Amino acid sequence: SQTIHQWPATLVQPVGSPLSLECTVEGTSNPNLYWYRQAAGRGLQLLFYSVGIGQISSEVPQNLSASRPQDRQFILSSKKLLLSDSGFYLCAWSPGHYYNEQFFGPGTRLTVL
Amino acid sequence: QQQVKQSPQSLIVQKGGIPIINCAYENTAFDYFPWYQQFPGKGPALLIAIRPDVSEKKEGRFTISFNKSAKQFSLHIMDSQPGDSATYFCAARSGAGSYQLTFGKGTKLSVIP
Repeated sequence: SQTIHQWPATLVQPVGSPLSLECTVEGTSNPNLYWYRQAAGRGLQLLFYSVGIGQISSEVPQNLSASRPQDRQFILSSKKLLLSDSGFYLCAWSPGHYYNEQFFGPGTRLTVL
Repeated sequence: QQQVKQSPQSLIVQKGGIPIINCAYENTAFDYFPWYQQFPGKGPALLIAIRPDVSEKKEGRFTISFNKSAKQFSLHIMDSQPGDSATYFCAARSGAGSYQLTFGKGTKLSVIP
């Protein structure tokens, strides 16, 4: 069966510091991968998605970036965090077939102080 | 055009009641409609999904009703339990080959014992 991991689970960072969040998927190959952000009490905002190694599509211009160095690894980064980057970051994967059901990871709670 | 409007924002029902969450859309290219359940501090979990060629789908106590002409779909939870207390999100995919889901803003459901 497929499993999606995210780490760290919780992170507190000062404004201006760098960020690296990691997501890995097990039990599947060639998944589509996604990064979402969820602000407190809000819906899900798609940040990036990737259909293959090195292929990244950005949905929202901001100071975040994403990379996919390996087939089942997706990384969310920032060089300098802003207060507004605080939120719940979710990685998701989909199998890439017709209906592309998306399955979410456990999330990372990021607080920027 | 790309929005999915979800209502109500919050819902309180007694145990055994049947909460109903509604979603409406404008984009007729949407062709796949999943519902997600999210508990506090966790990632959303795929609950049930429907295609527009089907008017109703049941999985256990969860039922999706779909009205293609009205461009509306809803989630019913039969015999609701306190353990169903969570935030529910509807979503829609914009056509074959699309990698993106458009999410509603969520409904926080509380089931009172």
